[in-house]
Amino acid sequence: GQSLEQPSEVTAVEGAIVQINCTYQTSGFYGLSWYQQHDGGAPTFLSYNALDGLEETGRFSSFLSRSDSYGYLLLQELQMKDSASYFCAVGNAGNNRKLIWGLGTSLAVNP
Amino acid sequence: EPEVTQTPSHQVTQMGQEVILRCVPISNHLYFYWYRQILGQKVEFLVSFYNNEISEKSEIFDDQFSVERPDGSNFTLKIRSTKLEDSAMYFCASSRGQVSGNTIYFGEGSWLTVV
Repeated sequence: GQSLEQPSEVTAVEGAIVQINCTYQTSGFYGLSWYQQHDGGAPTFLSYNALDGLEETGRFSSFLSRSDSYGYLLLQELQMKDSASYFCAVGNAGNNRKLIWGLGTSLAVNP
Repeated sequence: EPEVTQTPSHQVTQMGQEVILRCVPISNHLYFYWYRQILGQKVEFLVSFYNNEISEKSEIFDDQFSVERPDGSNFTLKIRSTKLEDSAMYFCASSRGQVSGNTIYFGEGSWLTVV
């Protein structure tokens, strides 16, 4: 079967750094994506890792270790507007036409 | 910036009725998707569509559901004989290609309430 695990909730303060982990089990792994969703709005793409290592995009970075079936999203210099749900998702069976999603991590950023 | 647009934003329908949700994908994109999110739950893949046919579908996408691209711009999801458990946010998405996850763009969603 296919599944992803990520923490359900994370709390942090403004200016801090937070790491949201994601472990996955899937056949035909084809990349790990991260999406942000505010209050049930449209999921917005944040980052994608096809190969091992760290991808950096501004305040957000994402890491992948295929041998460990593990990745994480790192958010730096947290701002109040970063309060949202963060989903990891994996491509299925050798392509990304079908993304399998985790349950999401609700991040609360406090002053 | 180009975006995926969806209508209606919210629809209330009686159980057993048919519903059509409409989407206009980004114009130069070739792959189209419908996803569903029941309140408070994860996003679930329903179907992907390419070259005027379904390319992948999930176990959720049974005979009750159908998709169509009636013209060069619209992409629709039809739900026949709606059930209470079909109440969810339905997201349309599109991508230019299939090979990289960073090209999937989502619309704002259509919130369906079945009563």
